[in-house]
Amino acid sequence: AQSVSQHNHHVILSEAASLELGCNYSYGGTVNLFWYVQYPGQHLQLLLKYFSGDPLVKGIKGFEAEFIKSKFSFNLRKPSVQWSDTAEYFCAVIPTGGGNKLTFGTGTQLKVEL
Amino acid sequence: NAGVTQTPKFRVLKTGQSMTLLCAQDMNHEYMYWYRQDPGMGLRLIHYSVGEGTTAKGEVPDGYNVSRLKKQNFLLGLESAAPSQTSVYFCASSYGSGGTYNEQFFGPGTRLTVL
Repeated sequence: AQSVSQHNHHVILSEAASLELGCNYSYGGTVNLFWYVQYPGQHLQLLLKYFSGDPLVKGIKGFEAEFIKSKFSFNLRKPSVQWSDTAEYFCAVIPTGGGNKLTFGTGTQLKVEL
Repeated sequence: NAGVTQTPKFRVLKTGQSMTLLCAQDMNHEYMYWYRQDPGMGLRLIHYSVGEGTTAKGEVPDGYNVSRLKKQNFLLGLESAAPSQTSVYFCASSYGSGGTYNEQFFGPGTRLTVL
């Protein structure tokens, strides 16, 4: 079974700072990868997804992530964060073959200060 | 399209009471899922369904039952609620399994408190 690790549980940044949130997964085969965001009091929204092809994936709101297969990583990045990016971020992985096993990391709580 | 909707949005139960959470999707998805979200634990799969009339256990199925009588609906039942079931419950759906069909679409969640 696969697993996902998000090592940063809480991150505090000032506006305009750059962001990188770590995501590492454990699985022996090929995977699809996702980043979801949950704004305070709201439901999960998809930020970006990787299925195949270019390992640098661009998502909504200026976010991007890079899939590094050799490192089993899918880190989320944003060059300049805004106060409105304050939210909880979840990385998720599922084997390419499916199997209905979308596994989530424990989440990273990001707070952006003015 | 409304996407994935959940009813109710909030609920407070007393220990031992029962209730049913309703999930509906209008995207003609085959697969549907129920997750619970607890602080510091991410989302964990409770039960899922790969088609009308089918259900299967996920990672944390104890204390829950589900039914998928219609393709568009997926019900989650708590027969005898316990305080440990206080959580936020999310429903999701996907076209199927494999490749781009792996993408799951989430509902707005139901916040359940068991006293």
